[in-house]
Amino acid sequence: EAAVTQSPRSKVAVTGGKVTLSCHQTNNHDYMYWYRQDTGHGLRLIHYSYVADSTEKGDIPDGYKASRPSQENFSLILELASLSQTAVYFCASSDWGAVAETLYFGSGTRLTVL
Amino acid sequence: GQQVQQSPASLVLQEGENAELQCNFSTSLNSMQWFYQRPEGSLVSLFYNPSGTKQSGRLTSTTVIKERRSSLHISSSQITDSGTYLCAMGRMDSNYQLIWGSGTKLIIKP
Repeated sequence: EAAVTQSPRSKVAVTGGKVTLSCHQTNNHDYMYWYRQDTGHGLRLIHYSYVADSTEKGDIPDGYKASRPSQENFSLILELASLSQTAVYFCASSDWGAVAETLYFGSGTRLTVL
Repeated sequence: GQQVQQSPASLVLQEGENAELQCNFSTSLNSMQWFYQRPEGSLVSLFYNPSGTKQSGRLTSTTVIKERRSSLHISSSQITDSGTYLCAMGRMDSNYQLIWGSGTKLIIKP
């Protein structure tokens, strides 16, 4: 069974603080993604990666950094958290690009910025 | 820009009724996928269906590219089918980026 694990499950952060969301996959997939979901909306791609030590910008990268130190791990970093970054964040992995391959999602991280 | 519209936004049915969910897209697509989001928030892939019809148990997905639409049919709905159903379209200019609909929230009542 493919597995993507996110941590933490939820987090409360203060405005201007640094937040790191972590993702670990045991699928042996090359592709990993970070999405955010706002209440009542679909998902939006923040960053993605198709190889270790390399990340790419998605549709809404401003205010976010990503890090892929190994094939298994992919982190999302908010250097200066803002109120507008309150959302649920999902990590996903796939064996090939998301357009042509099933995505496997983590359980999500609910981030609240106060 | 490229858009994906899902309808209806919400749907309430009695257990045993059939559900028909629609996804319409504004431009040519590379692929189409359907996902189920459980009430507690987790996401699972249902179908990767760029064209034609695919079936899995009580679920059937049909994508008609020239009509720019995809549908998800749930037969004999069960309470455990409650949740949000999301469709996502693959962009023609990318192998990685999906454009997501806002979802259909399905509530099945006993």
